[in-house]
Amino acid sequence: EIVLTQSPATLSLSPGERATLSCRASQSIAGSLAWYQQKPGQAPRLLMYDASKRPTGVPARFSGRGSGTDFTLTISSLEPEDFAVYYCQQRSNFHTFGQGTKLEIK
Amino acid sequence: QVQLQESGPGLVKPSQPLSLTCTVSGGSISSGGTNWNWIRQLPGRGLEWIGYIYYSGSTYYSPSLKSRITISVDTSENQFSLRLTSVTAADTAVYYCARYGPTGAFDYWGQGTLVTVSS
Repeated sequence: EIVLTQSPATLSLSPGERATLSCRASQSIAGSLAWYQQKPGQAPRLLMYDASKRPTGVPARFSGRGSGTDFTLTISSLEPEDFAVYYCQQRSNFHTFGQGTKLEIK
Repeated sequence: QVQLQESGPGLVKPSQPLSLTCTVSGGSISSGGTNWNWIRQLPGRGLEWIGYIYYSGSTYYSPSLKSRITISVDTSENQFSLRLTSVTAADTAVYYCARYGPTGAFDYWGQGTLVTVSS
């Protein structure tokens, strides 16, 4: 099983700041990584696929990069609605998710 | 706009089977390039993929749950279903159905349904 490790577990920032979230895979997954945002009481929402591609409707302040084992999700300037939990997910071998990064308001 | 909706009992007794159905609207479950998934979220924890099914009936299950899972599809009703046997309190979770789309990611999700295993 491919294990995804996200860091940090919690990130405390203020609106307007830049957020950088990391996801590391236990073995190479090429670019087969997606990112999701989850708010309390809601289902996850797809933010990024194939490591760096944004689905229609996702704001341009969200960007992703990486390949192999190391990936990052960056939010260039935090909006109040961005404070949530973020999960990475790989599809290279079955499907596994990271344990999540909680982005909270400082 | 594709929408998914889970339905089923919210309370299941230990050792009994858990059965849920996902109804797809706004699109056909027979669409090419897609498969239909069950994913669960244990209380206060992360997400666990359970398995998927194609409209043809082909399935693929998580190795850790494979012995207890059956996923089936009813294309005439645009639905797919999950059956998990021999449940314990460890199976208490919010269960989501989700579409795995052409992007290679889970692009549409149901709202989730909480299933509690308790006597």
